[in-house]
Amino acid sequence: SQTIHQWPATLVQPVGSPLSLECTVEGTSNPNLYWYRQAAGRGLQLLFYSVGIGQISSEVPQNLSASRPQDRQFILSSKKLLLSDSGFYLCAWSPGQQSGYTFGSGTRLTVV
Amino acid sequence: RKEVEQDPGPFNVPEGATVAFNCTYSNSASQSFFWYRQDCRKEPKLLMSVYSSGNEDGRFTAQLNRASQYISLLIRDSKLSDSATYLCVPATHGGYNKLIFGAGTRLAVHP
Repeated sequence: SQTIHQWPATLVQPVGSPLSLECTVEGTSNPNLYWYRQAAGRGLQLLFYSVGIGQISSEVPQNLSASRPQDRQFILSSKKLLLSDSGFYLCAWSPGQQSGYTFGSGTRLTVV
Repeated sequence: RKEVEQDPGPFNVPEGATVAFNCTYSNSASQSFFWYRQDCRKEPKLLMSVYSSGNEDGRFTAQLNRASQYISLLIRDSKLSDSATYLCVPATHGGYNKLIFGAGTRLAVHP
C-alpha cells in the first residue's frame, strides 16, 4: 500500500533562518506531488506541484522554493524565513487524473 | 466569485441528527469532486469521491448538480466523532490534477 511521510511534525525557526521540509512517498511510482500551506483558520493554499522528477510548478510567488530530486521525494525550502511563512505545511500525492489526494501528517511551522 | 464557496458554520447539532452541507463551485469544467474531513490541527482526509450525480457510503450521501454547480453532503445519525471541518473540493483537470480547497464547514456534534 502507498504511504506518505512528512517531517518534522513541528518546527520553530527564527526570522531569517533557512528552511527545509521533506516529504517522501512509498509504494507507488511517478506520483503527482503537491505542497500546500494552511494559515490558522483558513483554507489550503497550493504552493507547488510536480508531475515528475525535476519538474516544479509554482502557484503563487513567495519566499519559498521546491525541488523534486527523486521520483518520490519532494522538498520545500526557504533561504530566509519571514514571519508570514508561519503555518501548517502539508505535502500530498495523487496517482493522476480524477484522483483525490492523500496528505502527509503536516509540519506546523512557527517563525519567531 | 470564489472558486469554492461553503457556509463556514459552525453547525451545532445533537447526536443522532441529520445535517446537510452545501457547496457551490465556479469552474464549470470541474469533472471530479471530493469531500474531505479535517480534524483540528490534523491533515485533511478523503471522505468521499463524487464522479456522477451522487454517491452514498453508509451514513454519508453526496449529491452533485452540475447544472447548478452545486454539491451537497448529507450526514445521517450524527456521531460525536463526526465533529470536524468538511471541505468541498472540485478538481480541475490538466496535467497535474489540481484540487481547489475552500475553508470548509465546521460541524460540532454534541451529546
